[in-house]
Amino acid sequence: KQEVTQIPAALSVPEGENLVLNCSFTDSAIYNLQWFRQDPGKGLTSLLLIQSSQREQTSGRLNASLDKSSGRSTLYIAASQPGDSATYLCAGVSSGGYQKVTFGTGTKLQVIP
Amino acid sequence: GAGVSQSPSNKVTEKGKDVELRCDPISGHTALYWYRQRLGQGLEFLIYFQGNSAPDKSGLPSDRFSAERTGESVSTLTIQRTQQEDSAVYLCASSPFPGVQYFGPGTRLTVT
Repeated sequence: KQEVTQIPAALSVPEGENLVLNCSFTDSAIYNLQWFRQDPGKGLTSLLLIQSSQREQTSGRLNASLDKSSGRSTLYIAASQPGDSATYLCAGVSSGGYQKVTFGTGTKLQVIP
Repeated sequence: GAGVSQSPSNKVTEKGKDVELRCDPISGHTALYWYRQRLGQGLEFLIYFQGNSAPDKSGLPSDRFSAERTGESVSTLTIQRTQQEDSAVYLCASSPFPGVQYFGPGTRLTVT
């Protein structure tokens, strides 16, 4: 059974800092991986998708990478802003064609002005 | 184009009543997922639909929960004889291909 761990569970940083969020899967055979943010009381917003043939994706100040050999992914946020405060979730699909997605428990980020 | 929509956005019901939650996926997305998220908790998989294949119901917590989807269109999640522990946000996501999900805003269900 695939399990996903996100470290740290919570993080508080001053505005402007660069930071890294971590996600690791017990089954390293990851097909696709997606990072989301969730604001309090809201649904999930997709941030980045790393598909099976890719190792990295970038969007603005965000960069996500996936090491398939170890089943680990990192989300790098550059020059953090108070508006980045949210819970960040990673989710992956294991290889094998089945679409069941496993979610991590999330990292709650607070960026202090 | 339009994203995933869910209705109602909020639902307050009395214990023992039945509720029906609706999800309108993005047009053309073949897969549809339902999740439950209790306050302060992670996402709990409930059910998955893929085209006309038999749904994966392995996440449904009890036989009070059921869901339907006709083809690649709207899905409804029904909870019968609601209990207080059913209080949660119910999230729907649609998917065009494996591992990619687009979420709706959720339905917040409160059982009193």
